[in-house]
Amino acid sequence: GQNIDQPTEMTATEGAIVQINCTYQTSGFNGLFWYQQHAGEAPTFLSYNVLDGLEEKGRFSSFLSRSKGYSYLLLKELQMKDSASYLCAPYENYGGSQGNLIFGKGTKLSVKP
Amino acid sequence: DTGVSQDPRHKITKRGQNVTFRCDPISEHNRLYWYRQTLGQGPEFLTYFQNEAQLEKSRLLSDRFSAERPKGSFSTLEIQRTEQGDSAMYLCASSLVGIAGVSDTQYFGPGTRLTVL
Repeated sequence: GQNIDQPTEMTATEGAIVQINCTYQTSGFNGLFWYQQHAGEAPTFLSYNVLDGLEEKGRFSSFLSRSKGYSYLLLKELQMKDSASYLCAPYENYGGSQGNLIFGKGTKLSVKP
Repeated sequence: DTGVSQDPRHKITKRGQNVTFRCDPISEHNRLYWYRQTLGQGPEFLTYFQNEAQLEKSRLLSDRFSAERPKGSFSTLEIQRTEQGDSAMYLCASSLVGIAGVSDTQYFGPGTRLTVL
């Protein structure tokens, strides 16, 4: 079965740090993606974790614990333009080269001045 | 622009009509995905192709939906006898998957917003 849980909404202040958590249960897990989606636009790729640990990319970092079925996205030095939905998406592998992304409902982040 | 493109961007139709959407992936990408997204939800997987072969279809894809990728390049998604519940954003994504089939980064197009009246 597939179950992805992330907070529905979060609010943070410009310049602050925010952590968006995601827990998941999938079969055939083969990595986890985070996407950013501004209202009315398509999702854009932020990060990919396949091994345990922290991946840092500028102001954004993503962490994965495979044994705990847990990931988080860390956003530093928040800017107003970071107001968007953040989608947690484990990759489910069916076997061989077949598989696809399973998206959570997303966390809507509002950055206030 | 060499990203994923979709056409049309918006479509308004009456219930019972057929609609067809087109997706042009990034040129060297061999995988093409279709998703549907409604307000407040994440994208829901519909189907995907590797080259011209349709490898997976979600149970969400009723028999009114059909997708093709005849030459392994662009793809079309057709919805027959549209219903109001079909109103959603239809997203296309593409990726490049090697022989090992490792997890692929999917790049999304801008989507086609369908409104069924």
